[in-house]
Amino acid sequence: DTAVSQTPKYLVTQMGNDKSIKCEQNLGHDTMYWYKQDSKKFLKIMFSYNNKELIINETVPNRFSPKSPDKAHLNLHINSLELGDSAVYFCASSPTGGAGYGYTFGSGTRLTVV
Amino acid sequence: AQSVTQLDSQVPVFEEAPVELRCNYSSSVSVYLFWYVQYPNQGLQLLLKYLSGSTLVKGINGFEAEFNKSQTSFHLRKPSVHISDTAEYFCAVSDPRAGNNRKLIWGLGTSLAVNP
Repeated sequence: DTAVSQTPKYLVTQMGNDKSIKCEQNLGHDTMYWYKQDSKKFLKIMFSYNNKELIINETVPNRFSPKSPDKAHLNLHINSLELGDSAVYFCASSPTGGAGYGYTFGSGTRLTVV
Repeated sequence: AQSVTQLDSQVPVFEEAPVELRCNYSSSVSVYLFWYVQYPNQGLQLLLKYLSGSTLVKGINGFEAEFNKSQTSFHLRKPSVHISDTAEYFCAVSDPRAGNNRKLIWGLGTSLAVNP
């Protein structure tokens, strides 16, 4: 059983389209995250939810909207995709109390905007 | 505010040689410290972490790290590397006081290339 699973693994789309990435964790964790990793491997946190409540919302364009229907799921919807959105997006989870317990990461979604 | 500096962006090493990946941090308060590994085309995996107590921390795959408060360092070591250790390694810190808003501050990564 995959602990943190993301779908799709690869996503190629044209500029201007709207797309969603889904994430599910079966670890019973209360906190989930979205990270963006650029081509230089730099990791940037985008959002964090704790028990469906948004607790971290970094400076991210409004085109990105996270949704957490329950504490096991965190989805990311992106409107009007731009070339600069091309990156690998990682979902992660941790127990309540966050980083002290370590994150479990998904295997990533490689988004390519053409 | 905290920051993390990984002093080497790339470290080439021969198989079975020892390796040290360097990490320095900046913080006015005590921090939690972490090393994560990212194998090619995969997500990140926790290697080890320092929260408190013994300054020498052992992790998975034979890695260990030593917390040095006076030098604000948390260097990662392995006495003998394998080809399979080729990966990107990330050092990270977090503020224990931040509660659920606690987030990791990441270094830029060190690419370890193990050659035969």
